[in-house]
Amino acid sequence: NAGVTQTPKFRILKIGQSMTLQCAQDMNHNYMYWYRQDPGMGLKLIYYSVGAGITDKGEVPNGYNVSRSTTEDFPLRLELAAPSQTSVYFCASSYSSGAGGPYEQYFGPGTRLTVT
Amino acid sequence: DAKTTQPNSMESNEEEPVHLPCNHSTISGTDYIHWYRQLPSQGPEYVIHGLTSNVNNRMASLAIAEDRKSSTLILHRATLRDAAVYYCILRPPNYGGSQGNLIFGKGTKLSVKP
Repeated sequence: NAGVTQTPKFRILKIGQSMTLQCAQDMNHNYMYWYRQDPGMGLKLIYYSVGAGITDKGEVPNGYNVSRSTTEDFPLRLELAAPSQTSVYFCASSYSSGAGGPYEQYFGPGTRLTVT
Repeated sequence: DAKTTQPNSMESNEEEPVHLPCNHSTISGTDYIHWYRQLPSQGPEYVIHGLTSNVNNRMASLAIAEDRKSSTLILHRATLRDAAVYYCILRPPNYGGSQGNLIFGKGTKLSVKP
């Protein structure tokens, strides 16, 4: 069981380019999340999904898009990359039955993105 | 969302206990107290959570004040591998939607000296 995997590990983009960050989990979790972490700061939520076909915005969604066609995969799309999107991106997943439990999140190793 | 307050940094010596404090005076009656840590160049990892009673697991202990306005993460014997940023996060019970989301602050950076 690999947990949460992310590709690529590192990427350098030029301003205006686009790319997709891949995230997959093999734990059959219904919830998935994308966060970004700027240097010296805590993580900020970009988008989340409560199940296949359902996504919603987090705190900092501008400049990003997501889709969730399967339980396992939750790709993050950057359109027209800008220097402000230079950050480390983490994907996470968790399970919730909707019955009110605490349900911890499991994080991937991150993708370090530089936009120049 | 209820906020937490943590010291920016703490230092510890290897093999000594570490007590990481967290204040959360506006906690609601149903909020869980979660702790995550982030080792250098890695994603965060879950450490422990509690609601009202003190909790122990293989990684740490969580001591919760009787009024629930503060809590302390206890590492019983710090190792060099415990050097990380520790995040204290409040979270309501997850009945669906955004209730599953975590809100991260800056956390406490723990340094462990050999």
